[in-house]
Amino acid sequence: AQTVTQSQPEMSVQEAETVTLSCTYDTSESDYYLFWYKQPPSRQMILVIRQEAYKQQNATENRFSVNFQKAAKSFSLKISDSQLGDAAMYFCAYRTPLSGNTPLVFGKGTRLSVIA
Amino acid sequence: DAGITQSPRYKITETGRQVTLMCHQTWSHSYMFWYRQDLGHGLRLIYYSAAADITDKGEVPDGYVVSRSKTENFPLTLESATRSQTSVYFCASSESVAGSGTFGSGTRLTVV
Repeated sequence: AQTVTQSQPEMSVQEAETVTLSCTYDTSESDYYLFWYKQPPSRQMILVIRQEAYKQQNATENRFSVNFQKAAKSFSLKISDSQLGDAAMYFCAYRTPLSGNTPLVFGKGTRLSVIA
Repeated sequence: DAGITQSPRYKITETGRQVTLMCHQTWSHSYMFWYRQDLGHGLRLIYYSAAADITDKGEVPDGYVVSRSKTENFPLTLESATRSQTSVYFCASSESVAGSGTFGSGTRLTVV
């Protein structure tokens, strides 16, 4: 079974600085999708960024980028120029399309605090 | 309005009661999911559905029942609520197996 591990329960960053959140996963599949979700205090789950495993280029969305290391099964999220609004729980998630209607598998999350 | 809506947003119920959480989506997405979120566990899948009348168990299905008679609705029923089912419940839908899924706002359920 696929598993997703987020080894940092909590992280903090100074406003305007850069922070990296770690995520590793375990799978025997070669084709899959990886995601980072943000959950602010409002509880809403918001998709931050998505990476297809067959793409070597790391995904980027404005201040958010990933470092995807397929061989190491690592998928870290880098937040540049951190803002107070970035404070939230961040979840890494995995999904493979090859087995039919497979759902997302989530890590346990990392709580990010942003210090003004 | 287009989107995915969950109701109620908050619910308190007593042990042993049956309670149903509602989920409605307006996109006609084929795939729908129910997750529960607990501190220290992240989101865990309860049940999911690939289409109307097709449902499958997830990681933590015990004590829950789902149905999907219509594509747009995917209610989750706790047949006899227990305190261990106190949690935040999220419904999500997706247009394809590769989709990231769009989540509802969640239902915070407290079983006393």
